[in-house]
Amino acid sequence: DAKTTQPPSMDCAEGRAANLPCNHSTISGNEYVYWYRQIHSQGPQYIIHGLKNNETNEMASLIITEDRKSSTLILPHATLRDTAVYYCIVRVRGAGSYQLTFGKGTKLSVIP
Amino acid sequence: EPEVTQTPSHQVTQMGQEVILRCVPISNHLYFYWYRQILGQKVEFLVSFYNNEISEKSEIFDDQFSVERPDGSNFTLKIRSTKLEDSAMYFCASRLGQGGGELFFGEGSRLTVL
Repeated sequence: DAKTTQPPSMDCAEGRAANLPCNHSTISGNEYVYWYRQIHSQGPQYIIHGLKNNETNEMASLIITEDRKSSTLILPHATLRDTAVYYCIVRVRGAGSYQLTFGKGTKLSVIP
Repeated sequence: EPEVTQTPSHQVTQMGQEVILRCVPISNHLYFYWYRQILGQKVEFLVSFYNNEISEKSEIFDDQFSVERPDGSNFTLKIRSTKLEDSAMYFCASRLGQGGGELFFGEGSRLTVL
């Protein structure tokens, strides 16, 4: 699986957009970009995934650069409940047992 | 919304004792996983399970660990003789399969070994 690089921490004002970057310069053509988050010590929660097109769901938007070497997760209107560690993971979708490798992620603090 | 449930939420045990952590995955899911997270560290993969057998395991998942799906609904993780370093949060997860890559995690079971 391709390695990812994320900033260790970020702050965001409540109500503003949170933009979380991820570098994955060694991503291969069949690897998807997945985002999960972990609120405090709860189980990780799936947010969104994409291959090369931008994606949006009820939680977030995912912007993937044209060369696919980096991506940005956007939380359009961050709330205090979005304070969490956000993990960017690249993986071939549906292959094998599909175990995920979590890095250290980005600790997002949403400030009132 | 369907969810993965885990019991117990917290278990305290003495070193050397056997522990069983239980999970009820989402009912139509086909792939099952255990992960663990030692306090302050990364979430680590332990084992994946499909079609009533282990499909992949990490180096952490040694002979002291075993998994079982005894009755078609529960998915258990057994630690035969606990060590102090087994103290961690243990997360169960399930996946629908058929190309779907999204894992759904439970809230975790905190294991404290004294």
